[in-house]
Amino acid sequence: DGGITQSPKYLFRKEGQNVTLSCEQNLNHDAMYWYRQDPGQGLRLIYYSQIVNDFQKGDIAEGYSVSREKKESFPLTVTSAQKNPTAFYLCASSNPVSNEKLFFGSGTQLSVL
Amino acid sequence: GEDVEQSLFLSVREGDSSVINCTYTDSSSTYLYWYKQEPGAGLQLLTYIFSNMDMKQDQRLTVLLNKKDKHLSLRIADTQTGDSAIYFCAELRSGSSYKLIFGSGTRLLVRP
Repeated sequence: DGGITQSPKYLFRKEGQNVTLSCEQNLNHDAMYWYRQDPGQGLRLIYYSQIVNDFQKGDIAEGYSVSREKKESFPLTVTSAQKNPTAFYLCASSNPVSNEKLFFGSGTQLSVL
Repeated sequence: GEDVEQSLFLSVREGDSSVINCTYTDSSSTYLYWYKQEPGAGLQLLTYIFSNMDMKQDQRLTVLLNKKDKHLSLRIADTQTGDSAIYFCAELRSGSSYKLIFGSGTRLLVRP
């Protein structure tokens, strides 16, 4: 089955620690995205990548980093510089020729210990 | 304004129709979308409408688009308890081919 897999489902971060959230897709999509969701709020774009080895900052990139070494993978690192990391993180992908319909993973809930 | 706006909460009885409203920001947005999010899960695309249409129907779902007022609505006929979820509208703004702008979501509660 084609889809987007995020792992882990739940993640805990200690003070000063970097953590990496995994996102893998087998939909052969060129574009991938990371969104942050806070309770009662819409999704805010952290980073996006239109093609392998290229990515751009979204609206709230500070304290986050990404890489896109493979088409299938777009990991997100939440660094110690992100002072309020507790949120639900959603990865998505799209094929730009299909009207930007986003396909989402099931999300990772990150909490601070 | 800059934000895509939705009301936060809607409660309906099972079997009634639900109407979820959204005001978007860019009159030249090319596509508008409705996504559904169940608890602890990702977003699922329900339907979308191209900006040159004013209505789209897909089984129990009807999308209405009023470009003059930048108003989008989603009507769910014969609402079921399984429809309880958060519904997000999103716009694809012209000139930003890779960025969807999401509203804050409307939580739909379906009472038995």
